[in-house]
Amino acid sequence: DAGITQSPRHKVTETGTPVTLRCHQTENHRYMYWYRQDPGHGLRLIHYSYGVKDTDKGEVSDGYSVSRSKTEDFLLTLESATSSQTSVYFCATEPGQGSNIQYFGAGTRLSVL
Amino acid sequence: GENVEQHPSTLSVQEGDSAVIKCTYSDSASNYFPWYKQELGKRPQLIIDIRSNVGEKKDQRIAVTLNKTAKHFSLHITETQPEDSAVYFCAASSSNTGKLIFGQGTTLQVKP
Repeated sequence: DAGITQSPRHKVTETGTPVTLRCHQTENHRYMYWYRQDPGHGLRLIHYSYGVKDTDKGEVSDGYSVSRSKTEDFLLTLESATSSQTSVYFCATEPGQGSNIQYFGAGTRLSVL
Repeated sequence: GENVEQHPSTLSVQEGDSAVIKCTYSDSASNYFPWYKQELGKRPQLIIDIRSNVGEKKDQRIAVTLNKTAKHFSLHITETQPEDSAVYFCAASSSNTGKLIFGQGTTLQVKP
C-alpha cells in the first residue's frame, strides 16, 4: 500500500468549522493527490502537488486548500466545512520518474452536519 | 479539459461468464490508461494499465484493449469469480498535464 497513512479515518464535524485531513507517505514519492469520492461521480481531483511547496488546483478545488511543507506530508484543509463536502477523501501518491501509477491511502470518511 | 465516460454503471454476470467495461476519453493527448478495482469500504487498487503505444495487454484473466483512433479502451474479465465483485474505475492521463481523470465507475456483481 505504498506506506500511505490518512488521518483521521473518520470525522464528523459541523457546518462552518475548519477541518484538516492529513496524508503521510513513507515512500518518498514526488507527486501527491487529494480526491473526493461521491456516488455517481467516481474520483474527482481536488488538489495535487508536484513537490514541496508546489501545489495546484484540480477539477473541484473550491472550498479546499492544501499545503505540502515536507515531501512526506500533504494536508487538505476545508476552511469552512459545508454539507456538500460530506464525502470520502482519498490521498494518492505517485513515484514520478516515468511511473504514472498512483497508490491510494485507505480514505477518510467525512460527515459535515 | 479531459473527460472520461464509463459504461455500464452496473453489470451483473453469472460466475464463469465474461465481463466487459468500456470507457471513452476526450483528450487525444492522453497516453496512460489504468484500471482500478475498489472493494467495498477499501481503497482503489491498480489491477492493470496500458500505454498508448500498445493496443492490448493481458494479465491472467484480465485484459485491456485500447483504440486510439476511436479514443476508447475496455477492460475484459474472463471466467469471472465472486471475488471479482467490486467497483471498477477507468482513468486517463494526459502527457500534457500528468493528472488522472477517472470514469464514474462500474459496479460489477458476479453471481455464484
